[in-house]
Amino acid sequence: AQSVTQPDIHITVSEGASLELRCNYSYGATPYLFWYVQSPGQGLQLLLKYFSGDTLVQGIKGFEAEFKRSQSSFNLRKPSVHWSDAAEYFCAVGARKGGGNKLTFGTGTQLKVEL
Amino acid sequence: DGGITQSPKYLFRKEGQNVTLSCEQNLNHDAMYWYRQDPGQGLRLIYYSQIVNDFQKGDIAEGYSVSREKKESFPLTVTSAQKNPTAFYLCASSIPGDYTADTQYFGPGTRLTVL
Repeated sequence: AQSVTQPDIHITVSEGASLELRCNYSYGATPYLFWYVQSPGQGLQLLLKYFSGDTLVQGIKGFEAEFKRSQSSFNLRKPSVHWSDAAEYFCAVGARKGGGNKLTFGTGTQLKVEL
Repeated sequence: DGGITQSPKYLFRKEGQNVTLSCEQNLNHDAMYWYRQDPGQGLRLIYYSQIVNDFQKGDIAEGYSVSREKKESFPLTVTSAQKNPTAFYLCASSIPGDYTADTQYFGPGTRLTVL
């Protein structure tokens, strides 16, 4: 069965500092990987996704993520954080054919941005 | 303006009552999903449907029921058998594919509180 671990429950960074949110997955083959962001009381917005090809994926709002097969990781990065980035971030892994198109989500990382 | 709508945004229910949460999409997506979100637990899949008139149980289906009579609609009923129904409920939709990963798009959510 697939699983996702986000080891950091809370992260605080200063505005303008760089950010890296960790995500480790468990899956028997090459996975589909996603990062979503959620503002309080809102739905989830897709930041970026990895299906295949280039392991460095660019997303919206200046975010990027790198797929590292050897480390089973898909960490999210941003070079300079803005106060509006404060939110909860979820990593998710999806199964390929036969998996029923189900996503398995991590427990999330809450990002706080200090001004 | 395409998207997913969920109503109501806030819902209050007395113990022992059934309640139905609405989810409608005009994205022409075949697949629809219901998730439950609790603090610190990420998102857990309740039910999903890949085509009209068909649906499958997710990881936590007990105490819930769904129907999929129209492509656009996937209502979720929280029954009195659900022991702890207070949570944030998220609906999502996607275009499932055999060899391409489907990306799930989320609605704004419904917060259900049992009084």
